[in-house]
Amino acid sequence: GAVVSQHPSWVICKSGTSVKIECRSLDFQATTMFWYRQFPKQSLMLMATSNEGSKATYEQGVEKDKFLINHASLTLSTLTVTSAHPEDSSFYICSAPPRASGTPGELFFGEGSRLTVL
Amino acid sequence: GNSVTQMEGPVTLSEEAFLTINCTYTATGYPSLFWYVQYPGEGLQLLLKATKADDKGSNKGFEATYRKETTSFHLEKGSVQVSDSAVYFCALHTGRRALTFGSGTRLQVQP
Repeated sequence: GAVVSQHPSWVICKSGTSVKIECRSLDFQATTMFWYRQFPKQSLMLMATSNEGSKATYEQGVEKDKFLINHASLTLSTLTVTSAHPEDSSFYICSAPPRASGTPGELFFGEGSRLTVL
Repeated sequence: GNSVTQMEGPVTLSEEAFLTINCTYTATGYPSLFWYVQYPGEGLQLLLKATKADDKGSNKGFEATYRKETTSFHLEKGSVQVSDSAVYFCALHTGRRALTFGSGTRLQVQP
């Protein structure tokens, strides 16, 4: 079964509104979670690294004020797309390393959340 | 910087055909290499991995060998099944950073 769960799996919103996507680790604690964005027929692009108890680390070119990340607990990270516009429409995926991973880079992934902004 | 290049899809094969999905990489240092698979409606999941040169990762009949001299990590399977239809992502990891992914290759296996 899934060990990282995202919600919602898909969402449609009007331009200018904000949307929150949740990422939960199930049965394990995640001090770090990674948020990716995937465009059609393109690779997963890392947006930011979410750190429990501290500020997220954003990749170059990602707007911090637009994509708010909060890692409120050891099992929950949220991504809020603020004032969404059609160009924000995409597939957002979160992932987390197992706490006692044997291999760095071995991650558990959520099912993804498809955002469509009208 | 790090990058991963994999063959564009979709790749369409008949059941029991041989599969190869090419993957090459550019990285600083000595990366670990991965293949992740995404079945329809599901999240990515680890298929196999290799952490050093000449290692062979294998799982579910799939194999990939870490070739440092050609900076490649090609995915192979001798006989594909319809249930193997999915999107396959090659990825690398160095240091403490998150994974760097290729663009993904969709595999469609027809009965």
